[in-house]
Amino acid sequence: AQRVTQPEKLLSVFKGAPVELKCNYSYSGSPELFWYVQYSRQRLQLLLRHISRESIKGFTADLNKGETSFHLKKPFAQEEDSAMYYCALSTSGANNLFFGTGTRLTVIP
Amino acid sequence: DAEITQSPRHKITETGRQVTLACHQTWNHNNMFWYRQDLGHGLRLIHYSYGVQDTNKGEVSDGYSVSRSNTEDLPLTLESAASSQTSVYFCATSQGANTEAFFGQGTRLTVV
Repeated sequence: AQRVTQPEKLLSVFKGAPVELKCNYSYSGSPELFWYVQYSRQRLQLLLRHISRESIKGFTADLNKGETSFHLKKPFAQEEDSAMYYCALSTSGANNLFFGTGTRLTVIP
Repeated sequence: DAEITQSPRHKITETGRQVTLACHQTWNHNNMFWYRQDLGHGLRLIHYSYGVQDTNKGEVSDGYSVSRSNTEDLPLTLESAASSQTSVYFCATSQGANTEAFFGQGTRLTVV
């Protein structure tokens, strides 16, 4: 069965500091990995997905199949990055998304 | 612009009552999902549908039901509301496999 683990419920960093939100997954096939973000009083929305290999709002995430990880990184945190972040997995050819428990990131001014 | 609309936004109900949460989308997406969001559990899938007349159970489906009579709507019914079903409920849609999911604004349900 598939599983997504986000070990940190809360993460606080200072503005300008690097930030890394951890995500590990378990799935025997080839997964599709996503990061979704929920800003205060806004809808949950897609931040990035591993197959697009792009940087969104300065965030990047690399799929490491050896370590079964998909950590989200940003070199210099901004106050507007404060939000709830969810890592999600979709299995091969499937339509469902399996979410982790989420990490609430707070960027301290 | 395409949209997902959930109603009501907030609901307080009593234990044992039947409650229906509405989800309406204008994306014309085949896939529709219901999740509940709880502290410490993240988002958990309740039910989902891949098209009209198709419904499937998710990981936390007990006590919930859905029906899909058209593309636009997937109402979620709590047959007999329980305090354990106090949560924030999110409806989502997607075009197909491994594509971006779009979420509604959520419904906060309190069962007293």
